[in-house]
Amino acid sequence: AQSVAQPEDQVNVAEGNPLTVKCTYSVSGNPYLFWYVQYPNRGLQFLLKYITGDNLVKGSYGFEAEFNKSQTSFHLKKPSALVSDSALYFCAVSVETPKNKFYFGSGTKLNVKP
Amino acid sequence: GAVVSQHPSWVICKSGTSVKIECRSLDFQATTMFWYRQFPKQSLMLMATSNEGSKATYEQGVEKDKFLINHASLTLSTLTVTSAHPEDSSFYICSARGTGTREDTGELFFGEGSRLTVL
Repeated sequence: AQSVAQPEDQVNVAEGNPLTVKCTYSVSGNPYLFWYVQYPNRGLQFLLKYITGDNLVKGSYGFEAEFNKSQTSFHLKKPSALVSDSALYFCAVSVETPKNKFYFGSGTKLNVKP
Repeated sequence: GAVVSQHPSWVICKSGTSVKIECRSLDFQATTMFWYRQFPKQSLMLMATSNEGSKATYEQGVEKDKFLINHASLTLSTLTVTSAHPEDSSFYICSARGTGTREDTGELFFGEGSRLTVL
């Protein structure tokens, strides 16, 4: 079975500090990985994706993520957090082709304090 | 970027009535749309996948007669919650994948969600 794990329900970080939101996956086949952000009572907004190529991908709003095949991870990072980054973050994986359905992690609530 | 519009944003209905939620792709043709349900503080649960012009594929445990999905055109999919009950209260989100440059990389575009409250 395909699955995505976000081991932290919540991450707290001070504004200006680096942030990391963790994601690991377990799939049978080639993974295609995505990060989305959700603000309260809103849909999901795309942040970044790994399809192929460089393991380090850069996305919207200064976020980046590193695909690590050996550790089956795709952690989301940002060098300097902003209060406005506070939101719910979802990691998702599609298998064998990015056109297949997505499997979402449970979400991680990021709190950035001033 | 591609825009998916979902309507209504909020709906309150009485138990036993039916509610229709619309999902439109505004600037691209959505060959495939997905409907998700999200419970408070939980992840997205895929309910069904709909392809334009064919029947939706429902995930295990989702009642197809309860949650009617129609994808009659390349820009519109609808979810109808029939004979709604309080346990159907939830946040429903649609997403779309369409033709165009982004289809090859599988990026999904999400609607803003619809909050359904059944009294």
